[in-house]
Amino acid sequence: GDSVTQMEGPVTLSEEAFLTINCTYTATGYPSLFWYVQYPGEGLQLLLKATKADDKGSNKGFEATYRKETTSFHLEKGSVQVSDSAVYFCALIGNEKLTFGTGTRLTIIP
Amino acid sequence: NAGVTQTPKFRILKIGQSMTLQCTQDMNHNYMYWYRQDPGMGLKLIYYSVGAGITDKGEVPNGYNVSRSTTEDFPLRLELAAPSQTSVYFCASSTGDQPQHFGDGTRLSIL
Repeated sequence: GDSVTQMEGPVTLSEEAFLTINCTYTATGYPSLFWYVQYPGEGLQLLLKATKADDKGSNKGFEATYRKETTSFHLEKGSVQVSDSAVYFCALIGNEKLTFGTGTRLTIIP
Repeated sequence: NAGVTQTPKFRILKIGQSMTLQCTQDMNHNYMYWYRQDPGMGLKLIYYSVGAGITDKGEVPNGYNVSRSTTEDFPLRLELAAPSQTSVYFCASSTGDQPQHFGDGTRLSIL
């Protein structure tokens, strides 16, 4: 079945540091890929998405590129802020069901 | 825009009690989902529905029941609460091929 593997956390960075959270997937066919963010005490919010190979999703300074050859969708941001502290989930849609990774907790220190 | 609304936000139950978690959406989405999120874990699908009158099991359906009598509502019922059901429950909706919209969650403790 479909699966998503993402970088284990927690991840702690200083403000303005470069961020990479790794995500790889296993799926049949051509899934759509997503990154969701969950701020403390809230539900999940869609951060960005990519629906086909080589697509780049971007939002709020975050980017991720759909790499079919490496089955990856790594999340990057050039300069993180304290407000980016949250849990980030990589996910894919295959067969109408959303499959999530286990989440990566990110903490940004001023 | 209300989106996906879950009630209650918090609840404490005793072992063996029953309760219904409510979920309603105002986006006319056909697909609705219930997930649970355990501490430090990802989301696991409990049940989902592709339309009114149609429901199906997800990864972890045991101990839960659902119904979908209308497009808007998708309640989740716990009949005999057990400590293993202590979790945060999220309801979500979608058009099926688009990202899901999530409610803010219900934090449930079974003591």
